[in-house]
Amino acid sequence: KQEVTQIPAALSVPEGENLVLNCSFTDSAIYNLQWFRQDPGKGLTSLLLIQSSQREQTSGRLNASLDKSSGRSTLYIAASQPGDSATYLCAVKPTNAGGTNYGKLTFGQGTILTVHP
Amino acid sequence: GAGVSQSPSNKVTEKGKDVELRCDPISGHTALYWYRQSLGQGLEFLIYFQGNSAPDKSGLPSDRFSAERTGGSVSTLTIQRTQQEDSAVYLCASSLGGQEYNEQFFGPGTRLTVL
Repeated sequence: KQEVTQIPAALSVPEGENLVLNCSFTDSAIYNLQWFRQDPGKGLTSLLLIQSSQREQTSGRLNASLDKSSGRSTLYIAASQPGDSATYLCAVKPTNAGGTNYGKLTFGQGTILTVHP
Repeated sequence: GAGVSQSPSNKVTEKGKDVELRCDPISGHTALYWYRQSLGQGLEFLIYFQGNSAPDKSGLPSDRFSAERTGGSVSTLTIQRTQQEDSAVYLCASSLGGQEYNEQFFGPGTRLTVL
């Protein structure tokens, strides 16, 4: 059974710092990995999607890397801002033994990020 | 265009009552997913619809839960005889297709409280 773990569970940093959020998964048979942001009381906003054949994706101040063989992904946030404060979730789309994509995502528990001025 | 929409945004019900939650996916998206987010459990997959294929119901927690998708668009998640442990935020997502490279886009969720 696929399990996704995110470390740390919570992180508080001063504005301007560069930071790294970690995500690990137990089964490397995945199609892709997606990073999301969730603001309190809101739905999920997709940040970056990395296909299993890719090593990284970048969007603005965000960079996500994927090492499928070791079951790890990192989300790097450069020059953090108070507006980055949110819960960050990673999710993997696993394949089954036959390689059929069932579409569902398996999520980690999230990292609660607070960026203070 | 418009994103995924869900209604109602909040629902309070009494134990034992039935509830229906609605999801309108992004126009043109053929894949639709329901997830549940509850304290201590994180985000759990419930059910997945892809085109005219039989849905993947492997995440539904009990037979009190069911979902349908009419006309390949709008979906309704029904919970019968609600229990307090059903209290959670129910999130709907859609994607262009079920293919491995498709990104999932989420709605704002319905917060269900069972008294």
